[in-house]
Amino acid sequence: GEDVEQSLFLSVREGDSSVINCTYTDSSSTYLYWYKQEPGAGLQLLTYIFSNMDMKQDQRLTVLLNKKDKHLSLRIADTQTGDSAIYFCAESGGYNKLIFGAGTRLAVHP
Amino acid sequence: GAGVSQSPSNKVTEKGKDVELRCDPISGHTALYWYRQSLGQGLEFLIYFQGNSAPDKSGLPSDRFSAERTGGSVSTLTIQRTQQEDSAVYLCASSKQWNEQFFGPGTRLTVL
Repeated sequence: GEDVEQSLFLSVREGDSSVINCTYTDSSSTYLYWYKQEPGAGLQLLTYIFSNMDMKQDQRLTVLLNKKDKHLSLRIADTQTGDSAIYFCAESGGYNKLIFGAGTRLAVHP
Repeated sequence: GAGVSQSPSNKVTEKGKDVELRCDPISGHTALYWYRQSLGQGLEFLIYFQGNSAPDKSGLPSDRFSAERTGGSVSTLTIQRTQQEDSAVYLCASSKQWNEQFFGPGTRLTVL
């Protein structure tokens, strides 16, 4: 069945790079997504990558996709305290829904 | 412009009571989704509406859950005879293109 897995917690120092990893199972997923959730807020779409791409860069964010291993990663360069949040990986489970991982809590410390 | 809005932001109810949660999607978005986020877990798909097509209800956990979308815009998620395991944050999303879903702030439901 469809499943998305992520590590639950990541702690980094301010100014360092953060790498959040995700594995998924549905090889037919057309798009893969990263969402950010700050405390008490809804989900914010950060970026997404089409399944025929290997990499996508958007300012401080770099998404890498290894379709063979069904592995997705999000790199945040020069991590700031404002990046502290929960990051969700999701795959498109068809046109009508997203399949989410449990989320990775990113803690940024000085 | 205005994003997806949901009301109420918080709802506390007693076990066995019915609750209604409301979602106002972004204007012009034809697709609307409901998800549930239980404590410490990812989001679980509940239901999907697209235009005038029959909704995809495959994610609804029991027949106590139902949803409707009136006039292709506002949606209401109804939970009848609430149970403690229904306690969660209920998130609504809308999209114009199916690959970009925009989420509301959610309704936190607590069943005592």
